[in-house]
Order: sequence, then structure tokens, then C-alpha cells
Amino acid sequence: GEDVEQSLFLSVREGDSSVINCTYTDSSSTYLYWYKQEPGAGLQLLTYIFSNMDMKQDQRLTVLLNKKDKHLSLRIADTQTGDSAIYFCAGQSGGSYIPTFGRGTSLIVHP
Amino acid sequence: NAGVTQTPKFQVLKTGQSMTLQCAQDMNHNSMYWYRQDPGMGLRLIYYSASEGTTDKGEVPNGYNVSRLNKREFSLRLESAAPSQTSVYFCASSEIRRGENIQYFGAGTRLSVL
Repeated sequence: GEDVEQSLFLSVREGDSSVINCTYTDSSSTYLYWYKQEPGAGLQLLTYIFSNMDMKQDQRLTVLLNKKDKHLSLRIADTQTGDSAIYFCAGQSGGSYIPTFGRGTSLIVHP
Repeated sequence: NAGVTQTPKFQVLKTGQSMTLQCAQDMNHNSMYWYRQDPGMGLRLIYYSASEGTTDKGEVPNGYNVSRLNKREFSLRLESAAPSQTSVYFCASSEIRRGENIQYFGAGTRLSVL
């Protein structure tokens, strides 16, 4: 099955770019997702990428996928204090429709 | 459109007590899920239901039972609560389209077992 790893913490200054990294193990992964969890709330989908794409851009968000290295990243441009949250990477293995979640990266944005 | 609604939001139990966590979705989704979230552990799948009338075990099913009451509702039951079941529980639902599985989550139930 899929295994997804992320670093646990990231601290940035307001206005800088944030890059959250994720690695996965299953080379047959089809979809890779980024979810955001604000304090006291459930997860909400931010963006996702299909495995035949290298990059996807959506306003301040850029997702990069390196299939060879099984590495996924989420870049947030012009990071704001409202971006402080936990970000989860999830990989959907080719053999299952249920994504496997990483442990989540806590993003702290300093004014 | 409420999305996914979970009740209760908070609960404190004593060891050995039982309780049922309720979840309902109004998006007409076929698939529903129960996860638990523990610090540093991320989300772990307890049980899921691919469609009304079916349920399957996830990664950490021990100590839990589920019921898919109808298409809208999916409940999680703790028959005899243990301190190790102290956690935040999330229900989610989804409709799988062209292989993509975007899940919609409730706000969570925060459970403490003393």
C-alpha cells in the first residue's frame, strides 16, 4: 500500500513563499491531494494533481510533482497569517480508491 | 447545504462506557469514511462504506463498529471505550468520479476517555 511522509513543522515570515514537501512510495499513484486543516476544523481540499501532470497552478498555490523521485510539493506564494494551518498530503494508490494521508505539516506564519 | 455534519462535537466518557458518533451528509455521496486523528499520527482510517449496505475495515478498526444506516448516515460505535480511544474523530464522504476521490470532511468529534 501507499506510505506518505511529510515534515511536521514549517515556519515562515508573512509575505515569503512557503514550500511544503511530501514523498510517497507507490509509483502507481494516480491522484495526489493537498488538504488544509484550520484549528478546530475538519480537512478541506486545497488542490490536487493527476499523475500525468508535472505542475498545477491555482492562484497563490503551485503543486509540483516529480514522479521519478515520488516527490510532491505545495508552494504558497505571498504567505499570509491566515495560511497558518496543518497541511496534509494524500496519495491515492492505483490499486485503491481511498487516499493515504501523511502526518500533516504545521505551517506557522510570523507577522 | 450543510455538507457533512457530525454530532456530538465534544464528549467525555469513562472507561468501559459506550457511545455512538453520528455522521450525516447531504451531498448524495455513495462513499463515507471514519478517521481518527492523533497528534503526530495524521489521519488513520477506521472503517469505510463504499455504498449503502456495505462496510469495510480500514487501518485501525479494533474497538469500533459501524453502521451505514442509509445513504446519508454512517455511525461509529465504541462498545467499551478505552483511554487509547481518546482522539479526534472525523467523518468524510465522497463521490468517486473518473477515478478521483475528493473527500469532504465534517468538523470532528473530540472524544476524551478517562
